[in-house]
Amino acid sequence: AQRVTQPEKLLSVFKGAPVELKCNYSYSGSPELFWYVQYSRQRLQLLLRHISRESIKGFTADLNKGETSFHLKKPFAQEEDSAMYYCALAGGSNYKLTFGKGTLLTVNP
Amino acid sequence: ETGVTQSPTHLIKTRGQQVTLRCSSQSGHNTVSWYQQALGQGPQFIFQYYREEENGRGNFPPRFSGLQFPNYSSELNVNALELDDSALYLCASSPPGGFKYFGAGTRLSVL
Repeated sequence: AQRVTQPEKLLSVFKGAPVELKCNYSYSGSPELFWYVQYSRQRLQLLLRHISRESIKGFTADLNKGETSFHLKKPFAQEEDSAMYYCALAGGSNYKLTFGKGTLLTVNP
Repeated sequence: ETGVTQSPTHLIKTRGQQVTLRCSSQSGHNTVSWYQQALGQGPQFIFQYYREEENGRGNFPPRFSGLQFPNYSSELNVNALELDDSALYLCASSPPGGFKYFGAGTRLSVL
């Protein structure tokens, strides 16, 4: 079974502070991991995926298969980063996405 | 914009009724999937269609059914609505081997 756990429902940081949104997963095969973001009044959109190993809007995420984690990090948070962040896992070839419950990030001025 | 449009944006139904939600995908997106997002939860997979055939289903009862059409549009049908069906319903489409683009969703309220 696929499972994604985001242990923090809410995360609040100050502008310029580092931020880390945690994600742990459970999957027996080789997963594909994603981070999706939903800004206020906007649709869900892909932030990054682990296979591309890129940095988007200053965010990075590294897949740690030993710890079954895919934490999202940014060294200096900005107010415009305030949003709901969802970690998601896809098993197999672009099969269903299993989402975590999300973490609401608030970046205070 | 992702090119995935859903209609209607909001819908109010009463318990026991039936509802059809619609999604229009980008040309070339031959995979469409539907998700239910209850308040305070992440989206939950309902089912997925590939080239007009269902090729995956989550833990939803048979009264949730769908269709995918050759013109890249799709439908989600829910029969015998229950109060717990109140949620945001998301459609996501993807090209072959690509990641999923989500629509803005249809907010369904069951009274």
